[in-house]
Amino acid sequence: DGGITQSPKYLFRKEGQNVTLSCEQNLNHDAMYWYRQDPGQGLRLIYYSQIVNDFQKGDIAEGYSVSREKKESFPLTVTSAQKNPTAFYLCASSISSGGYTEAFFGQGTRLTVV
Amino acid sequence: AQKVTQAQTEISVVEKEDVTLDCVYETRDTTYYLFWYKQPPSGELVFLIRRNSFDEQNEISGRYSWNFQKSTSSFNFTITASQVVDSAVYFCALSEAEGADGLTFGKGTHLIIQP
Repeated sequence: DGGITQSPKYLFRKEGQNVTLSCEQNLNHDAMYWYRQDPGQGLRLIYYSQIVNDFQKGDIAEGYSVSREKKESFPLTVTSAQKNPTAFYLCASSISSGGYTEAFFGQGTRLTVV
Repeated sequence: AQKVTQAQTEISVVEKEDVTLDCVYETRDTTYYLFWYKQPPSGELVFLIRRNSFDEQNEISGRYSWNFQKSTSSFNFTITASQVVDSAVYFCALSEAEGADGLTFGKGTHLIIQP
């Protein structure tokens, strides 16, 4: 079935460690996004990519990094520079970057710093 | 700057009641798109509806209906004869015409349908 796969579902990180969240899509979508969700908050955009080998910072990019080497993949690295990384992370894709296209979401990764 | 406000943090109703979730938005664009998403406990956001700024026609899909009013910058969502399975967090979102930088989300409304 076509869709977006995020892994792992749960991730625990020690302070000072970098961790990478995986996001893979088989929908042949050009655009991909990473959002962060905190309790009682909406989703906030971390990074987005309109095409392969190109990505842009969103509203809260500090302490995060991404790559887009393949159309299907858009991994997110949470670096030690991110001061408060405990959150729920959602990856999304859309057929294009036009505002009219709906985004499809993965099931999320819940990251906890221990 | 764009902004979406969902003033209702949590709503609790008894099954079979009708319930309306409010959404108010701000944008300077004349062309924009409004969305509603449902987030069940599993975490994945499920797309429900998209509306563009030039189409103010209300829409009905089964028990769901949406009321878009540009005059009040609102895009409200009504569930008729609510069911327990409707329990979820519902997000209203906005994107500009180019949309390259993703969606602007409200903080969501947690809807609880009690049996």
